[in-house]
Amino acid sequence: DSGVTQTPKHLITATGQRVTLRCSPRSGDLSVYWYQQSLDQGLQFLIQYYNGEERAKGNILERFSAQQFPDLHSELNLSSLELGDSALYFCASSVGGFLNTEAFFGQGTRLTVV
Amino acid sequence: GENVEQHPSTLSVQEGDSAVIKCTYSDSASNYFPWYKQELGKGPQLIIDIRSNVGEKKDQRIAVTLNKTAKHFSLHITETQPEDSAVYFCAAAMYSGGGADGLTFGKGTHLIIQP
Repeated sequence: DSGVTQTPKHLITATGQRVTLRCSPRSGDLSVYWYQQSLDQGLQFLIQYYNGEERAKGNILERFSAQQFPDLHSELNLSSLELGDSALYFCASSVGGFLNTEAFFGQGTRLTVV
Repeated sequence: GENVEQHPSTLSVQEGDSAVIKCTYSDSASNYFPWYKQELGKGPQLIIDIRSNVGEKKDQRIAVTLNKTAKHFSLHITETQPEDSAVYFCAAAMYSGGGADGLTFGKGTHLIIQP
């Protein structure tokens, strides 16, 4: 168990809908990262938050957004869903900063868009 | 941006033999290179990492080597066991004192340990 908690584990929704994925980082970790894993694209970095502020952006679509709350949990919002958004979405957390950079992954949320 | 190439995509070895997975990266600013193991239905798990100021790091049966000049790094697993069967990902990132960018992952290697 990595200590990173993601909910829900599975999500099935229709095209055009909006969903919210939730992540609770390991105790003490200030950074939260979101990744998308699909068969064709592999593991792709979406976005990072550090202590409530956006720190880095990767290949995140404009239809997707995220935030990190004062208690450090994070939510990834996916809107106007398309079939191609079906994937595993992982959250990872790390302490942040140069000396403690190991990122620990949650179990993921499997999103199926039908 | 960073680009990480990983090969082979599939590697089958006999139990007890060694396995080597290789990765190359494109951005010379990258200074952190972790390896993750992903088992079916689970999230990636960090197994070993190396920073750019180190050429080699070992942890029991697992070792990682880094060649900064050639911009490639490798994972070596010795005395392979059935529980080593999984998908292995290499990654690269540039970390500074203020924080970290996201990891850029290779496409993964499916390691199969034959009994």
